[in-house]
Amino acid sequence: EVQLVESGGIVVQPGGSLRLSCAASGFTFGDYIMHWIRQTPGKGLEWVSLINWDGETTYHADSVQGRFTISRDNSKNSLYLQMNSLRPEDTGLYYCAKPSSMVGGVFADWGQGTLVTVSS
Amino acid sequence: EIVVTQSPATLSVSPGERATLSCRASQSVNSNLAWYQQKPGQAPRLLIYGASTRATGIPDRFSGSGFGTEFTLTISSLQSEDFAVYYCQQYKNWPMYTFGQGTKLEIK
Repeated sequence: EVQLVESGGIVVQPGGSLRLSCAASGFTFGDYIMHWIRQTPGKGLEWVSLINWDGETTYHADSVQGRFTISRDNSKNSLYLQMNSLRPEDTGLYYCAKPSSMVGGVFADWGQGTLVTVSS
Repeated sequence: EIVVTQSPATLSVSPGERATLSCRASQSVNSNLAWYQQKPGQAPRLLIYGASTRATGIPDRFSGSGFGTEFTLTISSLQSEDFAVYYCQQYKNWPMYTFGQGTKLEIK
């Protein structure tokens, strides 16, 4: 059974930094592109970032480009999201997601999410 | 960016009846459209991909249709567990995937 467990969400002041983690199990982590998706009061569900199998290729949404960095450690079956220069609009629930093995662009498995609150 | 718009925002339907939810893309996504169900306190659950293919374990009362810019999710006979929020998502524009704003399906 696929399990994705996010952690690291806290209350942080605007301009602050945070690192989210996602522990994966139940599948061969290194075989999959992995994603971060967030759910915010302002924009609803929003794709944030992806990273390829070996971590050499990453993409980020325009809204977080230059502020967020996705990374992974396949030896630890873990996915990370380094979040810098945080803004109030970054407040939301952050999910790590594994794509379907049938179709790469759909999200078959999600964690339970970790809550990030950016507020002074 | 491909904008995905769902309608209506809220749909009130009685148990046992049919529900029809709509999703429109701002440009053609061919059949690269998925549907998700989200219940309170839970992550989204994949229902449909490829516009009409049910994901593993999804009951056949859920069906999807459409191509290009217009898509529909139909739930043929609503069960109590089907009342939730439904989202569509386009995945044609890799990797800039976009979601609709959701349709809340509530009990009438």
